[in-house]
Amino acid sequence: NAGVTQTPKFQVLKTGQSMTLQCAQDMNHNSMYWYRQDPGMGLRLIYYSASEGTTDKGEVPNGYNVSRLNKREFSLRLESAAPSQTSVYFCASTWGVSRGGETQYFGPGTRLLVL
Amino acid sequence: QQQVKQSPQSLIVQKGGISIINCAYENTAFDYFPWYQQFPGKGPALLIAIRPDVSEKKEGRFTISFNKSAKQFSLHIMDSQPGDSATYFCAASRSQNDMRFGAGTRLTVKP
Repeated sequence: NAGVTQTPKFQVLKTGQSMTLQCAQDMNHNSMYWYRQDPGMGLRLIYYSASEGTTDKGEVPNGYNVSRLNKREFSLRLESAAPSQTSVYFCASTWGVSRGGETQYFGPGTRLLVL
Repeated sequence: QQQVKQSPQSLIVQKGGISIINCAYENTAFDYFPWYQQFPGKGPALLIAIRPDVSEKKEGRFTISFNKSAKQFSLHIMDSQPGDSATYFCAASRSQNDMRFGAGTRLTVKP
């Protein structure tokens, strides 16, 4: 099992360009998440999908959109990239079956630089 | 505002020593407190987690101590090894979709 995979690993964009970050999991998990990681800020939730067909905003959703393509795949789109979106982006997944917190399984990350 | 405050930002420990990282939270609705370990260029991975019905949980060299009344929890790494050198994140969660992370602690274990 590959677990959670992300593409690309690294991307450089110019301000105003768009791109889509891809995420896939092969653990049959119900819930998927997109986080950004910035120095001194920990990880902050951008969007999540509690189950196939649903998506909701997290803590820092502005400037992003998401699509839960099927149970395996959850993509993050930047429509018009800004330098403030320079960050490392992590996708994660969980079973999503308990009411409280569960172990989140993270992908290897996508490092994005916006010039 | 950051709902989970983590300290120190960085920590240097000698091999065989004890590493201690502290976290404090504000929201009493949090009911799941994990610690994640992250190596450079990798995603975070769960190290150990605790729920507030117990005050301590131990797994090998790693122990979480939890103080519900003080709204604090800490990670203790006994007999620290160079392979433990990584960034550690505490987190707190009250639901599937509301995990709040601390800012992280970069641990260096010197041989």
